[in-house]
Amino acid sequence: QSALTQPPSVSAAPGQKVTISCSGSTSNIGNNYVSWYQQLPGTAPKLLIYENNKRPSGIPDRFSGSKSGTSATLGVTGLQTGDEADYYCGTWDSSLIAVVFGGGTKLTVL
Amino acid sequence: EVQLVESGGGLVQPGGSLRLSCAASGFTFSNYAMSWVRQAPGKGLEWVSGITGSGDRTSYAGSVKGRFTISRDNAKNTVYLQMNSLRAEDTDVYYCAKGQGSVKFNELDNWGRGTLVTVSS
Repeated sequence: QSALTQPPSVSAAPGQKVTISCSGSTSNIGNNYVSWYQQLPGTAPKLLIYENNKRPSGIPDRFSGSKSGTSATLGVTGLQTGDEADYYCGTWDSSLIAVVFGGGTKLTVL
Repeated sequence: EVQLVESGGGLVQPGGSLRLSCAASGFTFSNYAMSWVRQAPGKGLEWVSGITGSGDRTSYAGSVKGRFTISRDNAKNTVYLQMNSLRAEDTDVYYCAKGQGSVKFNELDNWGRGTLVTVSS
């Protein structure tokens, strides 16, 4: 069982917007920065968002992140078929003294 | 261009040992923390261990603490994961990943392609 809770799957039509939630606790999300990763089928994960809402260079502004209390959210607008992937949230857990990930959310673009 | 290339995976019997290596290039290696992350086929990500850029601090997931040891050789631009007392549940693809700073075990901005470790008799 993951320290961070994500919905197993989300779906939306091309061009639409989707959000993926990530719920944790005060020992992780509540007091640490959240990152988000995209894993396309058969590839290694890729950093999408860091420090809750910052995008590495090359990541389109269709991807956004936010955090409130012990929860974080990844938003994806203007959905494309190429966005179909697994998405993971991650953060430091001050009690476990380890990085923790969510269980992952499979995004389907219908 | 940042490159991370893992090696050392393979088939090992339960109770056995294996050492993974990750050769890095394209950045000043000693300035960045490095982590190992694993993933079972069709499953989610699990962070295994991290080491600071200088190598003075390490951290481990509870599932591997006492069995795995992370280390680095900044002269060789290589990070290692020594895995002892291996169990069937350690069967995973192991990724090497670079942190965004010298002490950041989270915020993994570059990943290798992974190396498969299979623990089976």
